[in-house]
Amino acid sequence: EPEVTQTPSHQVTQMGQEVILRCVPISNHLYFYWYRQILGQKVEFLVSFYNNEISEKSEIFDDQFSVERPDGSNFTLKIRSTKLEDSAMYFCASSGGWDEQYFGPGTRLTVT
Amino acid sequence: AQSVTQPDIHITVSEGASLELRCNYSYGATPYLFWYVQSPGQGLQLLLKYFSGDTLVQGIKGFEAEFKRSQSSFNLRKPSVHWSDAAEYFCAVGAQQAGTALIFGKGTTLSVSS
Repeated sequence: EPEVTQTPSHQVTQMGQEVILRCVPISNHLYFYWYRQILGQKVEFLVSFYNNEISEKSEIFDDQFSVERPDGSNFTLKIRSTKLEDSAMYFCASSGGWDEQYFGPGTRLTVT
Repeated sequence: AQSVTQPDIHITVSEGASLELRCNYSYGATPYLFWYVQSPGQGLQLLLKYFSGDTLVQGIKGFEAEFKRSQSSFNLRKPSVHWSDAAEYFCAVGAQQAGTALIFGKGTTLSVSS
């Protein structure tokens, strides 16, 4: 069964450093998403992406965040200058349309 | 405001007993409702979804959920819980439109006692 994959599974970075989280969505899906889950809190939407453009973004997704589909398979989330409060589990998801979103296993980001 | 409420933070159920996890939502558009399960260190696995039709929907692992529009609820049920069902359960709501955000509840942690 096709699945969304994410790398790395865990990333530790120092405050102020840039990080790039990588995702490979399901191959025939057209819509891509990033969510995050701070420890002990609910899953929160960051951004959705379609046809090489951002479709929707939340208030969390400020100028320090960016997304890109650099090639035909990868979808990345970049955090330019990490803060302690960016420590969270980041989930990538993809969908073929308005139906269900398929989630990856997540990348745990720890900012020290 | 759009939101999902899961009133129970933690529930403990004996193995073999029935289970009901509550979910209430507030959403402006026609909702598309989901239940996801997350085991420790794992991603989010879809249990079931509802967007129209029969208000009782069946999912994987023997779970079902009932949509009640009048109560804005989408409660998850299982007639007999297994120890492997111990996990965190999230209710989510979205629009019937591609590329839009899912709004999640805070989750309910299910523990299963023997």
